[in-house]
Amino acid sequence: KQEVTQIPAALSVPEGENLVLNCSFTDSAIYNLQWFRQDPGKGLTSLLLIQSSQREQTSGRLNASLDKSSGRSTLYIAASQPGDSATYLCAGYSGNTPLVFGKGTRLSVIA
Amino acid sequence: DAGVTQSPTHLIKTRGQQVTLRCSPKSGHDTVSWYQQALGQGPQFIFQYYEEEERQRGNFPDRFSGHQFPNYSSELNVNALLLGDSALYLCASSFQSNEQFFGPGTRLTVL
Repeated sequence: KQEVTQIPAALSVPEGENLVLNCSFTDSAIYNLQWFRQDPGKGLTSLLLIQSSQREQTSGRLNASLDKSSGRSTLYIAASQPGDSATYLCAGYSGNTPLVFGKGTRLSVIA
Repeated sequence: DAGVTQSPTHLIKTRGQQVTLRCSPKSGHDTVSWYQQALGQGPQFIFQYYEEEERQRGNFPDRFSGHQFPNYSSELNVNALLLGDSALYLCASSFQSNEQFFGPGTRLTVL
């Protein structure tokens, strides 16, 4: 059974800092891994999808990597901005199983 | 192209009542999944519909049921509501179980 853990649970950084969010999963037979952003009380916005054959994906200031052998994914945010403040969730998909989510990392970027 | 839409946005019910939530998938998507997200937690998978049939189900009681229509839209029904059913209900759509796109959610409050 796939389990996903996100560390840290909360993070507060000053504006402009580069930061890394961590996600670990127990089933290395993961098919793909998706990173989401969630604003308070809102739905999930897909940020990056890393498929099984890929090791990383980039979109603007965001870069996500996937290391299946170690069961880890990281989301790197460059030059953080107050608008990046949100909860970031990672979720793993293993073939015909549903997405399994971590509890998220709540990020606050202080101006 | 409209993304995933959900209705209603908010709903207040009392214990023992029944509720129906609705979801319209992103254009071109054929698979709809429903998730329950309690405060401070990651989304938990309820069930997934494909070709008008329930394809997978998470660890939720039979009080939770659903339906998918020929136009791929979907409903989530919850009977005999409990206080613990209060949560954000998220719908996600995908094409053949690839990248999932989420709607804004329905906030259900059970009093």
